[in-house]
Amino acid sequence: DARVTQTPRHKVTEMGQEVTMRCQPILGHNTVFWYRQTMMQGLELLAYFRNRAPLDDSGMPKDRFSAEMPDATLATLKIQPSEPRDSAVYFCASRGVESSPLHFGNGTRLTVT
Amino acid sequence: DQQVKQNSPSLSVQEGRISILNCDYTNSMFDYFLWYKKYPAEGPTFLISISSIKDKNEDGRFTVFLNKSAKHLSLHIVPSQPGDSAVYFCAALSNSGYALNFGKGTSLLVTP
Repeated sequence: DARVTQTPRHKVTEMGQEVTMRCQPILGHNTVFWYRQTMMQGLELLAYFRNRAPLDDSGMPKDRFSAEMPDATLATLKIQPSEPRDSAVYFCASRGVESSPLHFGNGTRLTVT
Repeated sequence: DQQVKQNSPSLSVQEGRISILNCDYTNSMFDYFLWYKKYPAEGPTFLISISSIKDKNEDGRFTVFLNKSAKHLSLHIVPSQPGDSAVYFCAALSNSGYALNFGKGTSLLVTP
């Protein structure tokens, strides 16, 4: 059963520290998404990639967030420096053909103190 | 700017009864709609979808209804089971977009 894998599952860090979240999309999926879930906003899109190229990262705070796909099996989301308001659950999702549903990982729960 | 709205944060239903979860959208370019189900500490999982050329799609106990003129869709679960207790997200996609727009979710509790 193919799954999107996210690491770490939980991360607690202090304000100002760098945080890196990793995602392994389902093999063969060429579109990767980063979403953030908060109580106030629900699931909000941060960025997405198609064939490893960033298509839209307008949902990300540009000054502190960056997203990359070094290769087809790894997507990363970095926050530097982290702030308490970044505390949320960050989900990665991937998709194969355009009309197919997204497959989500189990998320990284980030707490910034 | 929330283009997909789920105005009920929570819903409680008795086992065996019908659960109806509602969703409204504002963007008339949306033409594909999905429902996702999310258990605690897990990612959302796809449940059912509907294209704008249809007004109903059924899959077992789950039926999604789409009213394009009202920009409204609903998910019906009949009969509801305790295992259906989860957060349900409505999502929408336009034919020119890649990314799903999600609502804030409705937490469904099915009581025995």
